[in-house]
Order: sequence, then structure tokens, then C-alpha cells
Amino acid sequence: DTAVSQTPKYLVTQMGNDKSIKCEQNLGHDTMYWYKQDSKKFLKIMFSYNNKELIINETVPNRFSPKSPDKAHLNLHINSLELGDSAVYFCASNLQGAYGYTFGSGTRLTVV
Amino acid sequence: ILNVEQSPQSLHVQEGDSTNFTCSFPSSNFYALHWYRWETAKSPEALFVMTLNGDEKKKGRISATLNTKEGYSYLYIKGSQPEDSATYLCAPFSGSARQLTFGSGTQLTVLP
Repeated sequence: DTAVSQTPKYLVTQMGNDKSIKCEQNLGHDTMYWYKQDSKKFLKIMFSYNNKELIINETVPNRFSPKSPDKAHLNLHINSLELGDSAVYFCASNLQGAYGYTFGSGTRLTVV
Repeated sequence: ILNVEQSPQSLHVQEGDSTNFTCSFPSSNFYALHWYRWETAKSPEALFVMTLNGDEKKKGRISATLNTKEGYSYLYIKGSQPEDSATYLCAPFSGSARQLTFGSGTQLTVLP
């Protein structure tokens, strides 16, 4: 199946831990994104990345870092997790330009 | 970060009714306008990507129009069905932000 896949689907972890969420797309897209769904269900952009440029939303704490081993993967690494990091995180991809995004199914992160 | 407003916030209609929602966005530096459909417990799915002023797109019973000069787009659903129940998100892509900025969405419930 062609898709954007995220793992894990659910992640429960303690404050202070470091964790990663993986994202892979097999659509041949050249740009990948991470969004955070906040408590009001807004989708807020965190990062966008293609092989040329990383764009970071300036409101994202530097505890969050994207890591891209190749253009089909954009993983999200989070250091020193805090309670406020609990949210659903969505990965997405597209072909840069006026094309719709394909979203992954989301990762629900709960920090306890 | 762009200011994107969608109205109404939520809407209940009877099966068979036609309905429409509004998305307003800054008209400066406009590049494209996306519409997404987001069903509960799923991920957003792209409906339309529109770029030209006066553009109109249609997919089945759903259509959208775009006015880039005044910064708004309308989404229309003709003869609503219960399966149309979802949150409809609009997201402008601006040259300045270089990213999609999502509105808070219009939550549509179609009652049988």
C-alpha cells in the first residue's frame, strides 16, 4: 500500500525521557512535515523538510528535532519530555508545489 | 503564522440539506489554498488544492470556490449525507510562511 506510516500509534512515557516517533512515506514525495494537534484540535506545523531545506516553526522548543536519514523518512526526536508535550503528532508528505498533503494516522503521545 | 478563520465552528444539518462554510485568510503572498476532510479517529484527507483567483473545483457533491483578492474560499456540500459528517479544514499556503497553516475547522454533523 502506498501511504504515510507512523510508528508507534500510541506512546506512553515518563517525564524527562527521550523518545522518537518514526515516519515513512513510499509515495515518492519530496517534502515531509510534522504537525502537532493541540488541545483545541488545531493542527500546528512543527517542521517541514525536503532535501534542500529544513523550515522550523520558531515556537517549537529545541527539545524537538527532526531527523531525516533519507527523503522517504522524517523521524521526530523529543528530548526531556514534559507533560505539555502530550498531544497527537501527525506526519505528512507531498510533492512540493500546489499538491495536497497525505497524512499519517497520527501518534498519540502521553507523558506521565 | 497566518491568521486563518473558518466559520461556522460547527454545524448540524438534516440529511438532504445543502450547506456551505467559509474560510478567510490573508490575501497577501498567496500561493495556494487547500481543503481537507477529517473524520473522527482518522487522518485528514485532501479534498482540493486551489491556486487561481475565481477557481472552482468539484468532487461529487462537494465543491469549492476561491477569491484570492479578498482572501476567502467557500466549500459547498449539496444534498448532505451522514457520511459527510467530519471536520472540514482549510489551509492557505503562503509564499511568506512557506508552509500550510490550518484553520480550526468546521465540524459538520449530518443527521439522518
